[in-house]
Amino acid sequence: QSALTQEASVSGTVGQKVTLSCTGNSNNIGSYAVGWYQQISHGAPKTVMFGNSLPSGIPDRFSGSKSGTTASLTISGLQPEDEADYYCSTWDYSLGAWVFGGGTKLTVL
Amino acid sequence: QVQLQESGPGLVKPSETLSLTCTVSGGSISGYYWSWIRQPAGKGLEWIGRIYSSGSTNYNPSLKSRVTMSVDTSKNQFSLKLSSVTAADTAVFYCARGVCSSTSCSFDYWGQGTLVTVSS
Repeated sequence: QSALTQEASVSGTVGQKVTLSCTGNSNNIGSYAVGWYQQISHGAPKTVMFGNSLPSGIPDRFSGSKSGTTASLTISGLQPEDEADYYCSTWDYSLGAWVFGGGTKLTVL
Repeated sequence: QVQLQESGPGLVKPSETLSLTCTVSGGSISGYYWSWIRQPAGKGLEWIGRIYSSGSTNYNPSLKSRVTMSVDTSKNQFSLKLSSVTAADTAVFYCARGVCSSTSCSFDYWGQGTLVTVSS
């Protein structure tokens, strides 16, 4: 059971806008914006959203937001290369630990 | 550009201690928290623990009794020891840098990962 809850799977067509969600509580997402990580074919995770900031080299079709205890990653103009597993994480100050979501498998149809 | 590289044995026997080292290049290890994260085949990411450049540590409560982390700032390296391993500890192990501000916490740099198999 992951501390953060993500959809198991999401799908979309090329060019579509999709939103992935990550739900926690007041001790984690309620206090800190999350990071989002893309993992393609079980390779190393790659940071695609650092808090609400876009890391260098990440296309601006990726954006992040947070409302209360739910964070969201939106991909506007979905591309075939966006097909991957996406994980969210942040610090939980009550646990004194980093926590992860279980991951969302994004399929580009 | 900061780069991280994991190294260590790819095969560990049950009940023995798994030892891995992460070498940081392109930047200083000082002033940051450095984490170990693992991923069993077909499963999600699990945080193991973190160490600050001063040596202070935080561990995942579920692994705390078996985990020891250390740092060597002169070599720009930090290390993981996981004792009494079983087959359930077989996973790809990643090292990563985690950064927190007053409003956000995120990992920004990751190693490529190293597979450790626990088997006799």
